[in-house]
Amino acid sequence: AQTIHQWPVAEIKAVGSPLSLGCTIKGKSSPNLYWYWQATGGTLQQLFYSITVGQVESVVQLNLSASRPKDDQFILSTEKLLLSHSGFYLCAWSPDRGGDTQYFGPGTRLLVL
Amino acid sequence: SQLAEENLWALSVHEGESVTVNCSYKTSITALQWYRQKSGEGPAQLILIRSNEREKRNGRLRATLDTSSQSSSLSITATRCEDTAVYFCATDWASGGNYKPTFGKGTSLVVHP
Repeated sequence: AQTIHQWPVAEIKAVGSPLSLGCTIKGKSSPNLYWYWQATGGTLQQLFYSITVGQVESVVQLNLSASRPKDDQFILSTEKLLLSHSGFYLCAWSPDRGGDTQYFGPGTRLLVL
Repeated sequence: SQLAEENLWALSVHEGESVTVNCSYKTSITALQWYRQKSGEGPAQLILIRSNEREKRNGRLRATLDTSSQSSSLSITATRCEDTAVYFCATDWASGGNYKPTFGKGTSLVVHP
């Protein structure tokens, strides 16, 4: 069975500080990977997607970047956090290129002060 | 405006009752998905219904799709307290090899004992 793990569970960070969020998928080779952001009480917005190692496409510009250093790992980061980065960050994977079935991780809650 | 959106912000029912969440969308689609998100968790896909399908069931859940009116419904029968969650519909948008679902803002369902 496939499992998806995100870390950390939650973070409180200062404006201007760096951020790194991680996501690991086990039990599935070459998954499509996605990062989503959800503002408090808001809808889900796709930020990045990756079809293969080393390849990441940006969907929305939010002064964030993403990388896929390994087949099963997806990293979301920024050098300088903004207040508007607060929210719930979700990693998801899809078993096929169609991508219409996505499995979400437990999420990381970020508060920027 | 959202390409997919649920018609009600919140619903409240008692255990055992049935409830229906409605969704409307604004583009032609190949599929529509219903997700459930419990507090503090990532979304979980409940039903994926394709544009050539009119109805799909998953246990106590039943989704319908009306492409002529660009609307969908998710019905839950014999509700339980654990059905308390936010329910989202999402429509597909495939671009450049990426499947990018567009989520509505969600309908918050509370099931009272």
